[in-house]
Amino acid sequence: GDSVTQTEGQVTVSESKSLIINCTYSATSIGYPNLFWYVRYPGEGLQLLLKVITAGQKGSSRGFEATYNKEATSFHLQKASVQESDSAVYYCALSEGTNYNVLYFGSGTKLTVEP
Amino acid sequence: ETAVFQTPNYHVTQVGNEVSFNCKQTLGHDTMYWYKQDSKKLLKIMFSYNNKQLIVNETVPRRFSPQSSDKAHLNLRIKSVEPEDSAVYLCASSHRGREQYFGPGTRLTVL
Repeated sequence: GDSVTQTEGQVTVSESKSLIINCTYSATSIGYPNLFWYVRYPGEGLQLLLKVITAGQKGSSRGFEATYNKEATSFHLQKASVQESDSAVYYCALSEGTNYNVLYFGSGTKLTVEP
Repeated sequence: ETAVFQTPNYHVTQVGNEVSFNCKQTLGHDTMYWYKQDSKKLLKIMFSYNNKQLIVNETVPRRFSPQSSDKAHLNLRIKSVEPEDSAVYLCASSHRGREQYFGPGTRLTVL
């Protein structure tokens, strides 16, 4: 079945340093899945950070970027310079091209940005 | 601005009791969902409803049942809770298969 694997547990980064959270996926549909990064800030609900539905394309939002790499089946989240306000839990997710109603999530990565 | 509302925020109950969680969306979306986030923080789809039709049911135990009165509401009922039902239940909605918007979640603790 469909699955998503991402950097597990917690990641701590100093402010202004770069960040990468790894995400790889496995999809069973004939076509290519849609890929997402969701984020949950402290005290808030889960919200969409960025999405890419076309292989080879890059999505970006709030300084974060992720490129849909179909050869490597990866969708890593990167940011060149993190801020304390980026501290949150980040989830990589996919939905099948044939069934947009189902989101498959990774286990989540808690990012703590230290001042 | 919250557009997917869930009640209650927390619920503590005993094994064997019945519980019901409410979800309402004000986005005019056509599909609503319930997800379960377990103690390992894994988020898994449970149900989705589109125009009162169940679209997805991912091998959820029969004691769970979604209840919808209209496309803006999707409640979740658990007939006889078990300890493994302790989790955070997230409601979400989407329109025409586009990105999903999530509520704040309901945390269930089964003693």
